[in-house]
Amino acid sequence: AQKITQTQPGMFVQEKEAVTLDCTYDTSDQSYGLFWYKQPSSGEMIFLIYQGSYDEQNATEGRYSLNFQKARKSANLVISASQLGDSAMYFCAMREGSSPFNTNDMRFGAGTRLTVKP
Amino acid sequence: NAGVTQTPKFQVLKTGQSMTLQCAQDMNHEYMSWYRQDPGMGLRLIHYSVGAGITDQGEVPNGYNVSRSTTEDFPLRLLSAAPSQTSVYFCASSTTFLVRGKFYNEQFFGPGTRLTVL
Repeated sequence: AQKITQTQPGMFVQEKEAVTLDCTYDTSDQSYGLFWYKQPSSGEMIFLIYQGSYDEQNATEGRYSLNFQKARKSANLVISASQLGDSAMYFCAMREGSSPFNTNDMRFGAGTRLTVKP
Repeated sequence: NAGVTQTPKFQVLKTGQSMTLQCAQDMNHEYMSWYRQDPGMGLRLIHYSVGAGITDQGEVPNGYNVSRSTTEDFPLRLLSAAPSQTSVYFCASSTTFLVRGKFYNEQFFGPGTRLTVL
């Protein structure tokens, strides 16, 4: 069963504007972690941001923030003030588990390709 | 501190050949994993390890073996390569840490190995 859904295969945004990349997830666990990764054309996977299911506040890391809506099971990534270097594939992922030190496998969405226009 | 390293970067095999993809990390992470990335499918977990001497299967384990004799190394073996195993392979290591009363879980990826099976 699909656990992570990213419904936007591709997105365009004008440089310096904000953009939201959607992610919904499916789990029956009460404890889980949500992640976003960036994959530029060079191929490496770059960790961006993490949100724990019990965190009451939305995670933020610089220009990245995670709009976590637990009841809707969504974990959208917001990139503020887009830069040309933000053009890349973005993957949402989830790791289920009953402990913050959980060791279960991580499931990834299919990704969203973001293109920032000058 | 090299992070997660993978060798080789590129490999071409003939059907039926065997080979080992190497992965090493120098961050003393307890958790390591192997993923494959196919076009349009995001990343899928092959095998993972929660510590030296302990391994388990992920979502797509068939055709692959792993071992974890040390904390640092987690090689992936293809027993008899098939064209369906043509993919980009990523090794990752992760850890959980506590910062100001909140747990953070990070997973770092290696640069990937692009494998083609003819």
